[in-house]
Amino acid sequence: DAEITQSPRHKITETGRQVTLACHQTWNHNNMFWYRQDLGHGLRLIHYSYGVQDTNKGEVSDGYSVSRSNTEDLPLTLESAASSQTSVYFCASSEGQSSGNTIYFGEGSWLTVV
Amino acid sequence: AQKITQTQPGMFVQEKEAVTLDCTYDTSDQSYGLFWYKQPSSGEMIFLIYQGSYDEQNATEGRYSLNFQKARKSANLVISASQLGDSAMYFCAMKRRGSTLGRLYFGRGTQLTVWP
Repeated sequence: DAEITQSPRHKITETGRQVTLACHQTWNHNNMFWYRQDLGHGLRLIHYSYGVQDTNKGEVSDGYSVSRSNTEDLPLTLESAASSQTSVYFCASSEGQSSGNTIYFGEGSWLTVV
Repeated sequence: AQKITQTQPGMFVQEKEAVTLDCTYDTSDQSYGLFWYKQPSSGEMIFLIYQGSYDEQNATEGRYSLNFQKARKSANLVISASQLGDSAMYFCAMKRRGSTLGRLYFGRGTQLTVWP
C-alpha cells in the first residue's frame, strides 16, 4: 500500500543545532505539507509544496526551510533549533488541488529542543 | 482569513450512545471542503469523513455522519453507537479553493472520552 513516512519519529536536540525531519510519500502526490501541532493551537501550516522545485511559506514558517528535489520527499530543516520549536511535526500529502481531495498524514515526529 | 471553531474542549459519552462534536467555520468562499480527523493517543491523524460545500446530502461513513448546515456554517460530527476505541482527539478542518489550494485550516480539537 502507498504510504507517507516520517523520520525520525522522536528526536531530542540542543538549542542552536540544525535539525532535518524527513518525509517520504509513495503515492506520487504533487502536494506536500508540513504542519506543527501544539497544545491549544491545533495544527498550523509551516511550509508546503505543489510540485518539484516549488515551495511556499505557511503561517508559521520562521526558522524553518524545505526543499523539493523530487516528488516523493519534502524534508523540513530547522536552521538553528530553538526551544519554541519543541513540537509534534506532521507531514502530509494530497493528490490534487480541488476542495475534495483528501490529505493524508504521516505518523508525526516528536521533536524536543533542550 | 479562514477560521474553524470547535467550542467543546472535552466531551464525555457512554459506550453505545451517540455523540455530536461541534464545528463552525468562517469563510467567504462558495466552494470549500470540510473534514474531520481523529487523533488517538498514539498520535497519528486519521481521516474520518469529508463534506463538500456543494454536496446536497450529508456525508456518512459507517458510524460517522456529518451534519452539514451551510447557512449556519456548521459541520458537526455525529458518532453513533460510541465505542471505547473512539476515545481520541477530533479535529475539524476546512480546505478552500483559490490561492492557497490544498492546505487545511484546523480547529483546536475536541477530546472525546468514551466510558463503559
